[in-house]
Amino acid sequence: SQQGEEDPQALSIQEGENATMNCSYKTSINNLQWYRQNSGRGLVHLILIRSNEREKHSGRLRVTLDTSKKSSSLLITASRAADTASYFCATDWSFGNEKLTFGTGTRLTIIP
Amino acid sequence: GAGVSQSPSNKVTEKGKDVELRCDPISGHTALYWYRQSLGQGLEFLIYFQGNSAPDKSGLPSDRFSAERTGGSVSTLTIQRTQQEDSAVYLCASSLVSSEGGYEQYFGPGTRLTVT
Repeated sequence: SQQGEEDPQALSIQEGENATMNCSYKTSINNLQWYRQNSGRGLVHLILIRSNEREKHSGRLRVTLDTSKKSSSLLITASRAADTASYFCATDWSFGNEKLTFGTGTRLTIIP
Repeated sequence: GAGVSQSPSNKVTEKGKDVELRCDPISGHTALYWYRQSLGQGLEFLIYFQGNSAPDKSGLPSDRFSAERTGGSVSTLTIQRTQQEDSAVYLCASSLVSSEGGYEQYFGPGTRLTVT
């Protein structure tokens, strides 16, 4: 079963606007990662945040983690048409076994 | 450098046939994972190999599914007596591993399996 859920399931915004996606999970975690998927095929890693971190930045991406609420958010600033994709959060919760449990994904569409 | 490769990219098979899916991980990555993604869904963990340790098979949906990893490198996922519900994209990933954990996983392009 899925560990987490992304919210919203789908999001459409104008190019240049900011996009925020949320992820909730169920069990304690070691790390949380965000991935992007284009065209239903391979995933690309975006950012990893550890359980003892609260915020992380990478270029136009900002990720927050609230372990007390078991939630994370991904903010994409100044969106571009190329950001159109599905975004998944994934958690690993067992040291020595780093299999990821994925959320259900947010489908982001950037309107030019 | 070369990323994770998978073959075939697409496979159409008749119900009841066996299929083999192949994954070539990034050289030097000791961890290898198989996931499955049904249409419009998130990824579902299948199996995890790490070095010489016994694989974590907890995600395999039935005993028709098996996987092996030869020489700590190439992996093959085998589905016996395929069923229509096996239709999905099968994704392989590899990563480094450390005692701290938390390395990103590099995904292959996937194999789209269609069972008719």
